[in-house]
Parts: sequence; structure tokens; C-alpha cells
Amino acid sequence: KQEVTQIPAALSVPEGENLVLNCSFTDSAIYNLQWFRQDPGKGLTSLLLIQSSQREQTSGRLNASLDKSSGRSTLYIAASQPGDSATYLCAVRRNDMRFGAGTRLTVKP
Amino acid sequence: EPEVTQTPSHQVTQMGQEVILRCVPISNHLYFYWYRQILGQKVEFLVSFYNNEISEKSEIFDDQFSVERPDGSNFTLKIRSTKLEDSAMYFCASSPSSGTDTQYFGPGTRLTVL
Repeated sequence: KQEVTQIPAALSVPEGENLVLNCSFTDSAIYNLQWFRQDPGKGLTSLLLIQSSQREQTSGRLNASLDKSSGRSTLYIAASQPGDSATYLCAVRRNDMRFGAGTRLTVKP
Repeated sequence: EPEVTQTPSHQVTQMGQEVILRCVPISNHLYFYWYRQILGQKVEFLVSFYNNEISEKSEIFDDQFSVERPDGSNFTLKIRSTKLEDSAMYFCASSPSSGTDTQYFGPGTRLTVL
């Protein structure tokens, strides 16, 4: 059964810092991996989707990498801003989609 | 930009009652999904729907649950006889042309079962 783990559970950084969020999964037979942002009490906003054949995807200040064989993905956020404060979720897709518990990020002004 | 919408935003019901949660997926999308998130827990997959039938469902999606696309725009989740443990945030999602595409999520319906 696919298990998805995110480390750390919470992270607090000063504005402007670069940071890395980690996601690991136990079964490498995936179609893709998706990173989401969730604001308190709100829905999920898709940030990046990496297909199983890809190694990374970039969007603005965000860069996500995927190492399928080792069951790892990272989300790199450059020059963090207070508006980046949210919970970041990774999810892996095979027949269903399995989510990690998320990393709660706080960026302090 | 097109969005997935869900109604109501908050539903309160008594245990044993039936509820229907409604979703309007993005108009040209073909794959539809329901997820739930119990407070403080992970987002959990419930069901995926394509071509007017269920394509995948989780162990959570038992006989108490059903989904329907009653017309060309709505996608509904029905819970036949609600239990206290059904209290959660329910998210609808849709994706364009393939089950491996980006999924776009709605804002959710908070279901409270008393």
C-alpha cells in the first residue's frame, strides 16, 4: 500500500530565505506526483505536476524534482515571501491519489 | 480562469440523514473525483468517475456513498445515511483529458454530522 510522508511537518523561516520541502513515497510505480498548496479552511491549489518520466518542473519561484527510483520528491521555494505561508501537500497518482500529511510553512516578515 | 465550484460551502445534518454534495467541474474536463479531509488528517481519495461510470474507488467509498452526473454540468456525491465519522471537508476535483493530468480542486464543502 502506498504511503506518502512529508518532512518536516512544520517549518518557519524569515522572508527571503530559500527552502526545501521533502516528500517520500514507498511504491515507485506511480503515474505522476503533484504538489499542492492549501490555505487554512480552503481547497487545494495545484502548484506543479511531474509525470513519472520527468525529473523536474519549474513555475516561477518554485521548482519540484522527482527521483522515482528512490521514492523522493522535493519542492524548492526561492526567495520566500509571507504570502507563501500555507500548508504544502504532495500527492502521488497511480489508480488513486495518495496524499502526504503536508508541511505547514510560515514565512515571517 | 475556469474553476471547480462546490455547493453548499457548509452543510449541517443529523445522523442518519441523506446528504447530497454538489460540484460543477471545469466545463471541458472529462475526469471527476471526490476526496475528503477529516479535520487534522490527510486528504483521502474517495472515487474517480469517467464516461458516466466509476473508474476507481477507495475502501472508504462503501455502499453508503454514490456519485452521479445528473446533467452535463453537475457532479454529485450522495451519502445515504450519514454517520458522525462522515464529518469532514469534501473536495471535488476535475481533470481535462487524461487520468494523469493535473487535477483542479474545488473549495470544498464542510459537512458536519450531529
